[in-house]
Amino acid sequence: GQSLEQPSEVTAVEGAIVQINCTYQTSGFYGLSWYQQHDGGAPTFLSYNALDGLEETGRFSSFLSRSDSYGYLLLQELQMKDSASYFCAYRDDKIIFGKGTRLHILP
Amino acid sequence: DTGVSQNPRHKITKRGQNVTFRCDPISEHNRLYWYRQTLGQGPEFLTYFQNEAQLEKSRLLSDRFSAERPKGSFSTLEIQRTEQGDSAMYLCASSSDGNTEAFFGQGTRLTVV
Repeated sequence: GQSLEQPSEVTAVEGAIVQINCTYQTSGFYGLSWYQQHDGGAPTFLSYNALDGLEETGRFSSFLSRSDSYGYLLLQELQMKDSASYFCAYRDDKIIFGKGTRLHILP
Repeated sequence: DTGVSQNPRHKITKRGQNVTFRCDPISEHNRLYWYRQTLGQGPEFLTYFQNEAQLEKSRLLSDRFSAERPKGSFSTLEIQRTEQGDSAMYLCASSSDGNTEAFFGQGTRLTVV
């Protein structure tokens, strides 16, 4: 079947680093994406990994291991505005999303 | 370009009525996706188009749901004989071939009473 698993909630402190893990199961796979969604807002694209390894975009990095069907999103120097839900998603022509990880940031 | 546009933003309807939503994607995007999202959940795939062709429809999707993209530009999603369980945010997204990023509209929030 097709599925993505990620923790439902994560809590971290402002200024710290947090990692959100994602495992997936699918017969077709082009790559793994990450999206951010603030309450009341639309999902917005953060990053995409087609190949194994780490992609860095500012404070955010994303990692993929295709052999382990695993990826993670790393957020550094956390800011209060990073409080949101984060979704991993894979592409196999269409885009399939996980259920999301709610990130709570404590001051 | 103003991004992906969805109309209406909110819709309240009585159970049993039909509703239709519209999505205008980013003009140069040939792929268009429809999702449904409920509180605390991720976007649930409904269907997607490449140009005017509907390439896949979720097996979980009731026959009451239908989508069209007649000229490969805007798309409509119709729900017939609405049920209270259809209450959700309906999201549209678009992308272009070879582009890994999908751009979402602000969604249409449907409430069935």
